[in-house]
Amino acid sequence: GESVGLHLPTLSVQEGDNSIINCAYSNSASDYFIWYKQESGKGPQFIIDIRSNMDKRQGQRVTVLLNKTVKHLSLQIAATQPGDSAVYFCAEKVLGNEKLTFGTGTRLTIIP
Amino acid sequence: NAGVTQTPKFQVLKTGQSMTLQCAQDMNHEYMSWYRQDPGMGLRLIHYSVGAGITDQGEVPNGYNVSRSTTEDFPLRLLSAAPSQTSVYFCASRHTYAAFHGETQYFGPGTRLLVL
Repeated sequence: GESVGLHLPTLSVQEGDNSIINCAYSNSASDYFIWYKQESGKGPQFIIDIRSNMDKRQGQRVTVLLNKTVKHLSLQIAATQPGDSAVYFCAEKVLGNEKLTFGTGTRLTIIP
Repeated sequence: NAGVTQTPKFQVLKTGQSMTLQCAQDMNHEYMSWYRQDPGMGLRLIHYSVGAGITDQGEVPNGYNVSRSTTEDFPLRLLSAAPSQTSVYFCASRHTYAAFHGETQYFGPGTRLLVL
């Protein structure tokens, strides 16, 4: 989920289990949302996106759910692997607008 | 394709010094941008460019200058570094049409800057 200050929310999951990372977005006009994965020492990497005309979108082992009523976004990762350990960010924007607003991130740790 | 490259990877500056962070992309992307990432915070947009010769301010532009003389390069200049500019800086690029069609940006590996 979201957080203010210096400490990222953390989530620890046993390898092979499913994980759910949550994000509350801020702008009710946002119509495009992205989840990024950032491994230590690297730049953010695209995972999956969703437009506001959808409630759910699936990729390989990942699913994004969008609830516009409560401005909530979630990322589900199935059958987690050690390589899934990273910080996950949600980002929102209005299509056509240059500004992409990032959430503060959640640190996911996979326990072997 | 090398994608988005950034140099240097790490830099230490003294307060008041100047430096330029380099960013280059080989994907012929029109749009390029600079973000800073501070502990416990999401990425914040500093400056962006929608094409050669065109730049604009983002969310936190103060203390930074940019220019875009070519499609490939988008350097970020700190004219007089301050400790508050200690951060990790990411450059990103995408096609301009992605602003309307939702294609993601591609990020570089980042430059870690420490200002003493």
